[in-house]
Amino acid sequence: QKEVEQDPGPLSVPEGAIVSLNCTYSNSAFQYFMWYRQYSRKGPELLMYTYSSGNKEDGRFTAQVDKSSKYISLFIRDSQPSDSATYLCAMSSRQGQKLVFGQGTRLTINP
Amino acid sequence: GAVVSQHPSWVICKSGTSVKIECRSLDFQATTMFWYRQFPKQSLMLMATSNEGSKATYEQGVEKDKFLINHASLTLSTLTVTSAHPEDSSFYICSARGLTGYNEQFFGPGTRLTVL
Repeated sequence: QKEVEQDPGPLSVPEGAIVSLNCTYSNSAFQYFMWYRQYSRKGPELLMYTYSSGNKEDGRFTAQVDKSSKYISLFIRDSQPSDSATYLCAMSSRQGQKLVFGQGTRLTINP
Repeated sequence: GAVVSQHPSWVICKSGTSVKIECRSLDFQATTMFWYRQFPKQSLMLMATSNEGSKATYEQGVEKDKFLINHASLTLSTLTVTSAHPEDSSFYICSARGLTGYNEQFFGPGTRLTVL
């Protein structure tokens, strides 16, 4: 079993829809959680980072962490075609630890 | 802030030659940098962790003599693919650890290596 599980998709939704992306993990020691967006043939771009449980909002993006369920989510409101990309979750147990990445979910927003 | 650059963005070389890829943190000092490899439609595979002034720590299965990493300053790390072969063709991405304390990493734009 992988430490971090993420549905690779592909996920296709119409423009303006609310998108929900998720990852589950098995290591209860994880406490730093990140979401990255990667466009084709580009490096990943950091979208959100959170520590421990709770919610964090930044514009159209909301990150949620539920440590009791070992489940993290990224919500995208009012999705735009420019949001079409691969979204990767990443996490680590403590500062200085390497990140463990999910497989990435390929998202397409249709105009 | 937190910009990481990579050079070159793409390179084509003949089998048997060596290729050097540079990774620079442009607006912050990075004591720790990471090198990843990514195959099409797959996630990132960590190759090694590079700490300024010390030897890199390689992940299991990564050949140290094949992939030479040097982190000579707080803003520059280099990856040299020695005696490259077609199976080394891939997308190589570096990252630098941020300073906010959340353990986030900032990635460069990647280098596409094609070995003929």
